[in-house]
Amino acid sequence: DAKTTQPNSMESNEEEPVHLPCNHSTISGTDYIHWYRQLPSQGPEYVIHGLTSNVNNRMASLAIAEDRKSSTLILHRATLRDAAVYYCILRGFGNEKLTFGTGTRLTIIP
Amino acid sequence: SQTIHQWPATLVQPVGSPLSLECTVEGTSNPNLYWYRQAAGRGLQLLFYSVGIGQISSEVPQNLSASRPQDRQFILSSKKLLLSDSGFYLCAWSVLSSSTDTQYFGPGTRLTVL
Repeated sequence: DAKTTQPNSMESNEEEPVHLPCNHSTISGTDYIHWYRQLPSQGPEYVIHGLTSNVNNRMASLAIAEDRKSSTLILHRATLRDAAVYYCILRGFGNEKLTFGTGTRLTIIP
Repeated sequence: SQTIHQWPATLVQPVGSPLSLECTVEGTSNPNLYWYRQAAGRGLQLLFYSVGIGQISSEVPQNLSASRPQDRQFILSSKKLLLSDSGFYLCAWSVLSSSTDTQYFGPGTRLTVL
């Protein structure tokens, strides 16, 4: 699977938007971009995924660059409960596995 | 709705002792099942996955083993624990085997080997 690169940590103020970047310059045409997050002392939870077009759901938005070599997870209005480690993961065709990197630790400042 | 259970929630075991962690899923049939481990301060590592009863794939050679005796039951075992087996063990399930399916994680078992 192609690799992803994320900043180790980020901080954001409460009630402000957060943009979490992910670089995946070796992404293949069939790789989906998935985001999971892990709250302290809990298992990861699914956030969003996409292939080429930008995606929105109740949790977040996913903006995918036109060349697909990078993407950005957008939390529109961060709350303290959004403090977590966010993982950007690529999954190829027929790939049932999730390969987690070290992710980005997001700290929300009250 | 589907739920996933893991027990125990925490466990402290001496080196050399056996281990058995259990994971069960409710509300779905024939799920794919996964065991992950997260060492302190590190990312998740896939240990085993199963696409059906008795079908286990191992991702990392180690002194751990997995079994799936029933459709919605996944067990992680060891005959003799090592200090390096300490970590946060997570079970997960998914419906499909594709690049678009979602994995749902359980609450985890925090294992400390002394």
